[in-house]
Amino acid sequence: KQEVTQIPAALSVPEGENLVLNCSFTDSAIYNLQWFRQDPGKGLTSLLLIQSSQREQTSGRLNASLDKSSGRSTLYIAASQPGDSATYLCALSGYSTLTFGKGTMLLVSP
Amino acid sequence: EAQVTQNPRYLITVTGKKLTVTCSQNMNHEYMSWYRQDPGLGLRQIYYSMNVEVTDKGDVPEGYKVSRKEKRNFPLILESPSPNQTSLYFCASGGPYNEQFFGPGTRLTVL
Repeated sequence: KQEVTQIPAALSVPEGENLVLNCSFTDSAIYNLQWFRQDPGKGLTSLLLIQSSQREQTSGRLNASLDKSSGRSTLYIAASQPGDSATYLCALSGYSTLTFGKGTMLLVSP
Repeated sequence: EAQVTQNPRYLITVTGKKLTVTCSQNMNHEYMSWYRQDPGLGLRQIYYSMNVEVTDKGDVPEGYKVSRKEKRNFPLILESPSPNQTSLYFCASGGPYNEQFFGPGTRLTVL
């Protein structure tokens, strides 16, 4: 059964810093990997989708990588802003389900 | 606008009173699913549907029912809710091969 771990569980940085969020998984037989953002008590907003055959995806200040051989994905956020404060979740897509990590809670201070 | 909608957004009910949470998507997706989110446990899948009239259990199906009579709708039914079903519920559509989109969530409290 797929297990997904996100490190760190929480991260606090000053505005302007570049940062990396980590996601590791145990089963490389995946269709894709998706990164989501969740604001407190709110829904999930899709940030990036990396298909199994891809190595990375970029959207604005966000860059996500996927290394299936090592069971790792990273989400890189450039020039962080207070508005980036949220919980970031990675999710691995198998045949019938998304398996989520517990998330990294990010706080960006002005 | 492409979206997944859920209703109600908030619901407080009592043990044993049947309820239905509706989910609808306008993206013509075949795949839809339900998740619940609990502190410390993260998001866990309840049920999923690969297409109309095709549904299957996820990781935590006990106490829930679903139906998929139309492509756009995938209601979640709690026939006899209990306090341990107090949670934040999300409907999703789009996967498993493609990007998944989530609804805004339904916060359910069972007293």
